[in-house]
Order: sequence, then structure tokens, then C-alpha cells
Amino acid sequence: QVRLVESGGGVVQPGGSLRLSCAASGFAFGSYGLHWVRQAPGKGLEWVSFIGYDGSEKYHRDSVEGRFTISRDNSKSTLYLQMNSLRREDTALYYCTKGLGPWGLDAFDVWGLGTMVTVSS
Amino acid sequence: QSALTQPRSVSGSPGQSVSISCTGTSRDIGTFDYVSWYQQYPGKPPKVMIYDVNKRPSGVPDRFSGSKSGNTASLTISGLQAEDEADYYCCAYAGSAMVIGGGTKLTVL
Repeated sequence: QVRLVESGGGVVQPGGSLRLSCAASGFAFGSYGLHWVRQAPGKGLEWVSFIGYDGSEKYHRDSVEGRFTISRDNSKSTLYLQMNSLRREDTALYYCTKGLGPWGLDAFDVWGLGTMVTVSS
Repeated sequence: QSALTQPRSVSGSPGQSVSISCTGTSRDIGTFDYVSWYQQYPGKPPKVMIYDVNKRPSGVPDRFSGSKSGNTASLTISGLQAEDEADYYCCAYAGSAMVIGGGTKLTVL
């Protein structure tokens, strides 16, 4: 059974940092691209970041470029999102999601339950 | 990375068909055939219903179908059922990024 479990969320002050993790199981982790997608309370989905199967390909949305860094450890089947210089508008439920095919930029198939990040003073 | 444009809400009666549009640009929907649709119930993660414009994952009823013309993609749900009431999001590959629509709330009357 394919499973993604996010952790690391919490309450942080503006300007602070957090590191999210996503532990994966049930599939060949090192063969698929992965994404972070967020959803602010009561709002829609927003794509945040992508990393290719071997970590060589990385993309971030413009509003987090230079502040967020996506990475992965294929030996631990774990995806990460390092978030620095956090802003109130980064407050959201952060989902880890797996690319449908090996390339990973076709669609999202499996989703975790998310981890909540609240940026507030 | 502008969001794709979807209607905020659509509605239909049981048994009817409804379509949800998703308008992008020549930089995303108009160029690439990587359009996907997601169903989300309150408090739950999204579920993929359509990928690659018109393909259904196993387990998704054939009442759900997708299409694309120019810069606009569409999700059509035929034989509407009460359980289809949910939020629906479109998503497209935009060359080094993914763009997602603002979401459409489907109400089954």
C-alpha cells in the first residue's frame, strides 16, 4: 500500500524557519518525482515545489524561490522541504504528493494527509 | 505562474451532466497534454480523477471524462450522483512548474 506521511509542521514567527518531512512507503521511492502542494485554510490548492527522482531536477513556485528548498534522501525514502524566512501568507496545510509517472510532472497520484504550518507572531 | 481559471461553482441535479472548464494559456494547457483533475472532500486530501487530459486511473467511474481544446480543458461528469458533490481542481504542467486552478464547488441539487 502506497503511503505518504508528512511531519514537521507547527507554529512559527514571521521570519522563522521550519523543515517538513515526508516519509514514504509501498513504492519504489527513488524512481518517482515528488511534490509539495499547500492549501491555506478555506482556500484552494497551490503547487509549491517539485524534485525529480534523483534530486537533479528541482523547481519552486516564484513566491517561495530563494526561501524554500526541496530535497530528498532516497536511502531513507524521505522527502523534505526546508522553509526559511517564513511569511504569514505561507500559512497552510502542506501536502506531500507523488508524481503519477516516473517523470513526475504529469499529475499527482498519492497524497499524504498533510502537516499544518502556521506563521504568526 | 498564474493560476488556471475555473468557475467558482457549478450545480446539477442527480442524473444530469455537468462540465467544469479550466482556462490556461499557451504556456501550459495550450502546449502540453499534461492536464489533470482532482476531487476533494472537506477535510480530506485530493484524489486524482483524470490525468493526461482524458485518462482515468483505475477505480474512477467512467462517468468522469476529460477533454481539451486550445487553452481550455474541461471535466465532464455524467449521470450526476450525490456523492459527486465536492470541490474540483484542474492542474497543468507549465514547463518547470505546475499550475493549479482556483477550484470549483460542485453542488448536487
